[in-house]
Amino acid sequence: DVKVTQSSRYLVKRTGEKVFLECVQDMDHENMFWYRQDPGLGLRLIYFSYDVKMKEKGDIPEGYSVSREKKERFSLILESASTNQTSMYLCASSLSGLVRTDTQYFGPGTRLTVL
Amino acid sequence: SQQGEEDPQALSIQEGENATMNCSYKTSINNLQWYRQNSGRGLVHLILIRSNEREKHSGRLRVTLDTSKKSSSLLITASRAADTASYFCATVPTGGGNKLTFGTGTQLKVEL
Repeated sequence: DVKVTQSSRYLVKRTGEKVFLECVQDMDHENMFWYRQDPGLGLRLIYFSYDVKMKEKGDIPEGYSVSREKKERFSLILESASTNQTSMYLCASSLSGLVRTDTQYFGPGTRLTVL
Repeated sequence: SQQGEEDPQALSIQEGENATMNCSYKTSINNLQWYRQNSGRGLVHLILIRSNEREKHSGRLRVTLDTSKKSSSLLITASRAADTASYFCATVPTGGGNKLTFGTGTQLKVEL
C-alpha cells in the first residue's frame, strides 16, 4: 500500500515565523501535491511537483513556496506565517509515466494554527 | 472557483438506508473520482470513472456519470455508521495533466 506521511499532525506557530511542512511518500511516485482545506471551500491546490526540482503553482500559491530535492519528499514552506494561513494542509502523491493513474494518495494532514 | 460542486452539502440518514450524493462540474473531463474523508483525516480514494464510462460499481458503491449534463452521482447502498464521513468529487479536466480539482464535499452522517 502507498504510504504518505506528514511530519506533524498538529502545529502551532506565531505570526511571522517560517514554517516547514514535510511530506514523504514511499511508492516512487513522480507527482506530489500540497493542498489546503478550509470549511466551505473544499481542497485548494497550492503547489504541485511532477519531478525532482520541478514545481508548478496551483490555484493559491501566494505566501507559499515548495522544495523537492528528492523524489520521495515534498516540502511546503510558509516564509512568514500569517493568521489567514491557519488551515488543514494535505499532501498527496500520484503515479505518472507509462502507468499513469490520476488517483491521488493522501497523507493524514497537518492542522496548522498561526497565532 | 471549484470545478465540482456537491449536492447536498449535508445528508443524514439511518443505518441501512441508501445515500445518494451528486456532483456537478463545469468543463470537459478526462475522469471523475470520488474520495472519502473521515473527520480530521486525509482523503481516501473510492472510485474513478472515465469520461467514456456511464456507470461503475465497487462493493456497495455505485457511481454514474452523465457527461452531457456534466454531473455524477455516488450511491452508497445499505449504509453503515462507519460510512459517516465527508465525500468529495474530483475531476481531471481533458488535457489537464495530473491535477485534480475538488468540490466542496457532502457531509454524510449515518445514524444507528
